[in-house]
Amino acid sequence: DIQMTQSPSTLSASVGDRVTITCRASQSFSSWLAWYQQKPGKAPKLLIYKASSLQSGVPSRFSGSGSGTEFTLTISSLQPDDFATYYCQQYNSYPWTFGQGTKVEIK
Amino acid sequence: EVQLVESGGGLVQPGGSLRLSCAASGFTLSSYWMSWVRQAPGKGLEWVANIKQDGSEKNYVDSVKGRFTISRDNAKNSVYLQMDSLRAEDTAVYYCARDYSSGWYPVDWGQGTLVTVSS
Repeated sequence: DIQMTQSPSTLSASVGDRVTITCRASQSFSSWLAWYQQKPGKAPKLLIYKASSLQSGVPSRFSGSGSGTEFTLTISSLQPDDFATYYCQQYNSYPWTFGQGTKVEIK
Repeated sequence: EVQLVESGGGLVQPGGSLRLSCAASGFTLSSYWMSWVRQAPGKGLEWVANIKQDGSEKNYVDSVKGRFTISRDNAKNSVYLQMDSLRAEDTAVYYCARDYSSGWYPVDWGQGTLVTVSS
């Protein structure tokens, strides 16, 4: 199984900050990675697929990059609605696996 | 509008069984792979299983193989998760999700149904 490790686990930031979350894979693969946002009590929401493709309707301040074993999610200017938990997920091979999550908190 | 509504969750004793249902609307179910993903209380997401459009292919995470069975009835616009030999560690919110294209990643998610395994 491919293990996905996110860092940091928690991130404190202010509105307007540039935020970067890293996801590292235990095995190398191409671009078969997605990013999700989840708010308390709600279902996850797809933000990014194929490592860097923005899902329809998602604000352009979200971007993704990477391949191999290191991937990043960047929020260019953090907005109040962005305080949430973010997960990466690989779909290169079964079983699909998620990172443990990164909680973005208000500083 | 895509809608996925899960039902069937509840409290069950260890070793018991439960069948979750996912009612799909707003799209043609027979055109999509479908997944179940779970989230234990206060924990992260764990993909559980998915099923091909016609039900001919199914994939599972190792921890549920032999205990859980994913199935679908396209005529009834429904996807199911039969859960047998339940354990305390199966306690979680179970989400039904529509996968993109050839079963690549979950795109649209339901609101989830809570399964609690406890005596």
